[in-house]
Amino acid sequence: DAGVIQSPRHEVTEMGQEVTLRCKPISGHNSLFWYRQTMMRGLELLIYFNNNVPIDDSGMPEDRFSAKMPNASFSTLKIQPSEPRDSAVYFCASSPTGGRPDTQYFGPGTRLTVL
Amino acid sequence: DQQVKQNSPSLSVQEGRISILNCDYTNSMFDYFLWYKKYPAEGPTFLISISSIKDKNEDGRFTVFLNKSAKHLSLHIVPSQPGDSAVYFCAASARRDDMRFGAGTRLTVKP
Repeated sequence: DAGVIQSPRHEVTEMGQEVTLRCKPISGHNSLFWYRQTMMRGLELLIYFNNNVPIDDSGMPEDRFSAKMPNASFSTLKIQPSEPRDSAVYFCASSPTGGRPDTQYFGPGTRLTVL
Repeated sequence: DQQVKQNSPSLSVQEGRISILNCDYTNSMFDYFLWYKKYPAEGPTFLISISSIKDKNEDGRFTVFLNKSAKHLSLHIVPSQPGDSAVYFCAASARRDDMRFGAGTRLTVKP
């Protein structure tokens, strides 16, 4: 099993540019989560999907952030326009539907730097 | 609003001694608590969990204690090993799919 796949692993962009982060969950997992890790706030849940439907997006910081899950094997997190304060590591995680939280498996993360 | 707090950003212990990592929470609806371990350049991995109906759960060298009245949990690692050096995140859940994480504690175990 390849695990959760995230791309790119590193992204450096300039303020104002659009950034798209990608995630491929583990096959057969029906729940997908996007997290952001910063030094100050640790790991924050941004949004999660169940069966491709967004369930809770209350963690999305601003309208500049949007997430989609067009099918069970792919999700994107988009930031437009990006700002320096968006610099962080973004993690995607997946779990089986109805699974306990300890069944969430995390990807390796995307380190985003906005100059 | 930080519902899960890890007030110690770092901890250093000697190999073979006990490591104690602490976590506090504010939401009384949380009923499931977890610890995750994270190495550099990797995603967090699940370590151990505890349900609110218990006050202790043990798995090998790792034990998690829960004090519901104090809204406090701790992770004990005995004996600590250099390979345990990592960032440890405390997490809590009030429903099956949703977790809130603390800011993490960086543990360094010195040989």
